[in-house]
Amino acid sequence: GENVEQHPSTLSVQEGDSAVIKCTYSDSASNYFPWYKQELGKGPQLIIDIRSNVGEKKDQRIAVTLNKTAKHFSLHITETQPEDSAVYFCAATGGAGSYQLTFGKGTKLSVIP
Amino acid sequence: EAQVTQNPRYLITVTGKKLTVTCSQNMNHEYMSWYRQDPGLGLRQIYYSMNVEVTDKGDVPEGYKVSRKEKRNFPLILESPSPNQTSLYFCASSLGGFANTEAFFGQGTRLTVV
Repeated sequence: GENVEQHPSTLSVQEGDSAVIKCTYSDSASNYFPWYKQELGKGPQLIIDIRSNVGEKKDQRIAVTLNKTAKHFSLHITETQPEDSAVYFCAATGGAGSYQLTFGKGTKLSVIP
Repeated sequence: EAQVTQNPRYLITVTGKKLTVTCSQNMNHEYMSWYRQDPGLGLRQIYYSMNVEVTDKGDVPEGYKVSRKEKRNFPLILESPSPNQTSLYFCASSLGGFANTEAFFGQGTRLTVV
């Protein structure tokens, strides 16, 4: 099955700096790569996603890039703010016909004011 | 308001005492799933359902049961809970399937088995 590796496990940045979280996946048939944000005491919430026919996607301060050849994708957050502090999960599908979404182990992002 | 509702939010139980965690969604989604979240392990899928009466195992199904008798409800059943099932559990639903559309998560159920 699919295997998703996520790095780093913890990340601290100063407010206003950029944060980058990287993930790799194993199944070359995977075609959907969402990112979820989990705030303390809440369930994960989708913040951005990308499909395999696109190399980059942006939504205000967040962006995701995908390199299908290398099988890795990254989340970029610019101009970080204290409210960006949370746990972030990347995920990848299990490939063609799969109903499963495999998650990375998560990155705890702390934005220091 | 569109949401996934889990109950209870917190539960402490003893080993071997059967329990059920309920999950309900009001978005008419066909796909529902249960995940457990453990420190350092991320979110792992327990069971999922593609429609009423259609369920399948995820990555960590041992010790759990599910049923999908109605589209909106997807309860998680622990017939004989053990301490290694102490975890944070999330129910999720999706319109088009978890492999290609957004998953909506509940608030979570923190289960402790002593």
